Amino acid sequence: NAGVTQTPKFRILKIGQSMTLQCTQDMNHNYMYWYRQDPGMGLKLIYYSVGAGITDKGEVPNGYNVSRSTTEDFPLRLELAAPSQTSVYFCASSYSGTPSNYGYTFGSGTRLTVV
Amino acid sequence: AQTVTQSQPEMSVQEAETVTLSCTYDTSESDYYLFWYKQPPSRQMILVIRQEAYKQQNATENRFSVNFQKAAKSFSLKISDSQLGDAAMYFCAYRTTNSGNTPLVFGKGTRLSVIA
Repeated sequence: NAGVTQTPKFRILKIGQSMTLQCTQDMNHNYMYWYRQDPGMGLKLIYYSVGAGITDKGEVPNGYNVSRSTTEDFPLRLELAAPSQTSVYFCASSYSGTPSNYGYTFGSGTRLTVV
Repeated sequence: AQTVTQSQPEMSVQEAETVTLSCTYDTSESDYYLFWYKQPPSRQMILVIRQEAYKQQNATENRFSVNFQKAAKSFSLKISDSQLGDAAMYFCAYRTTNSGNTPLVFGKGTRLSVIA
């Protein structure tokens, strides 16, 4: 049982390049999330999904896109990378049944630097 | 919108001593969940403890316990017998239950150092 798998772990992008951060979970969780973590700012929600084919914006969605074609996968797309997108990105998933008081299962994060 | 505030950016504790990390939150909901997550230098996010708002009894997990004061909207984490491995960032998080499985809202974190 691998949990939540994120790839890559590290990446350096040049301004204007694009890339996709991959996220896969094998726990049959319906709910998946993307957060970014900036120093001293905690974790801010970028996008989330409550099931295949359904996505919603979080607090900081600008500059990002997501898709959810399967229960397992929730990739995050960066188009036209900017230095402000330098951050650590976390994917997470959670149980959708009852009770819903279980926390998230997190991936190990992706450290992205845009230069 | 719900907010979570951690007023202590950094804390330190002597090994084997006890430390309390503070967390307050703002909500108009009556039913919700609260969490503490630990993030060691490995960057992995680890669930430490959870609390259901409808339960008056404070949650405990081994050396970790919370002081949940619903009226004051306070949710502090107490770490007893601190160990070197407790050194990490600690995040407080909130989730309402009234709108289904809504995303967690996180505080900005407290960096805990443990002094040998």
